[in-house]
Amino acid sequence: EAGVAQSPRYKIIEKRQSVAFWCNPISGHATLYWYQQILGQGPKLLIQFQNNGVVDDSQLPKDRFSAERLKGVDSTLKIQPAKLEDSAVYLCASSLGYGTSASTDTQYFGPGTRLTVL
Amino acid sequence: GNSVTQMEGPVTLSEEAFLTINCTYTATGYPSLFWYVQYPGEGLQLLLKATKADDKGSNKGFEATYRKETTSFHLEKGSVQVSDSAVYFCALSRMDSSYKLIFGSGTRLLVRP
Repeated sequence: EAGVAQSPRYKIIEKRQSVAFWCNPISGHATLYWYQQILGQGPKLLIQFQNNGVVDDSQLPKDRFSAERLKGVDSTLKIQPAKLEDSAVYLCASSLGYGTSASTDTQYFGPGTRLTVL
Repeated sequence: GNSVTQMEGPVTLSEEAFLTINCTYTATGYPSLFWYVQYPGEGLQLLLKATKADDKGSNKGFEATYRKETTSFHLEKGSVQVSDSAVYFCALSRMDSSYKLIFGSGTRLLVRP
């Protein structure tokens, strides 16, 4: 079974530029998550989708970050304009989707995109 | 609010030593608990999980028991190998928080030959 795919793996940009990341979840997974992992910290949720609807975006800096999952499959995360403090690894994860069984909430992570803002 | 606290690293051990990485949590109700591992240059991988009190998760020689009375989920392994060198993250999720994962800050383990 193919895992969660992300691209690019690395990106270097200057501050005030824009950048986009792409994620393709495991086939059949309804729920998709974007996490931000700053060096030396645990990942922090930015946004969660259930199919193509947003479930939780309370931690997303909406003045500069946006995300979409138009057809309920793959997703893009955009930053515009980028700031120095956005340097981090952006992780995408997917799960079957919350329901009646706790086992469906297991999240599987992609390799991440390492963003460096200069 | 919900949170996870892990022991700070790095933890340095010799091969075949016993490993314990402490993890405690704060949450209402009955969260699911997880250990994820991140090998150098790779993404997060689920190591083990437990979904209710007194459950023991196990995988690859690692074990952790969900202790509600002490709100803990400590990771243990009887004999570590050099290949276990990685960063280990403890995390929780709750159904009424849409199952988002709340992570600890991670503990780096270095195993020397």
